[in-house]
Amino acid sequence: EDKVVQSPLSLVVHEGDTVTLNCSYEVTNFRSLLWYKQEKKAPTFLFMLTSSGIEKKSGRLSSILDKKELFSILNITATQTGDSAIYLCAVELFDNNAGNMLTFGGGTRLMVKP
Amino acid sequence: DAGVTQSPTHLIKTRGQHVTLRCSPISGHKSVSWYQQVLGQGPQFIFQYYEKEERGRGNFPDRFSARQFPNYSSELNVNALLLGDSALYLCASSFGAAGVYNSPLHFGNGTRLTVT
Repeated sequence: EDKVVQSPLSLVVHEGDTVTLNCSYEVTNFRSLLWYKQEKKAPTFLFMLTSSGIEKKSGRLSSILDKKELFSILNITATQTGDSAIYLCAVELFDNNAGNMLTFGGGTRLMVKP
Repeated sequence: DAGVTQSPTHLIKTRGQHVTLRCSPISGHKSVSWYQQVLGQGPQFIFQYYEKEERGRGNFPDRFSARQFPNYSSELNVNALLLGDSALYLCASSFGAAGVYNSPLHFGNGTRLTVT
């Protein structure tokens, strides 16, 4: 069975701290790994990773994929209160019944205190 | 540019009733996917439609059905509602099939369904 596991489940830090969120996966027919940020409703797209070892960066956020060890990390440096959210990791895979689909992890709830 | 829009935003239904949720994709996007997000969990895949054809179906009972219209908008129908159907229903659109190359999913704000 395909599965995506995120850790930690939740995290409380203070502004200015650096955090690392983890995502490990066991899936067949892997195509890509995506990170989303969910504040109240709509998950918003952060990164899509398809190749191992190539870091993607956007401001204070960065992410990298290791296809050999089957995991990805999302780093946030100099955290701000606006980074408080649930961070979702999703793996895109091809399933014979479902076609191309995203399988999500349970999310990491990040709270940044002033 | 307008993002993915969903209606209604909230809905309260009674067990046994049916519900129709609606979604308009981002202009130019031809693929619409539906996900169910139960409180405290990640979203779960229900359906994907691309160019008005069903391209994928997740592990949900036949009470769940969907369709996509010529203008690429979509409806999700759920019959014989159960308490366990209470969730946030998310619609997502993409230009191509989900997550292929530079075509990640973009989500709407969802419809919060409560079944009593």
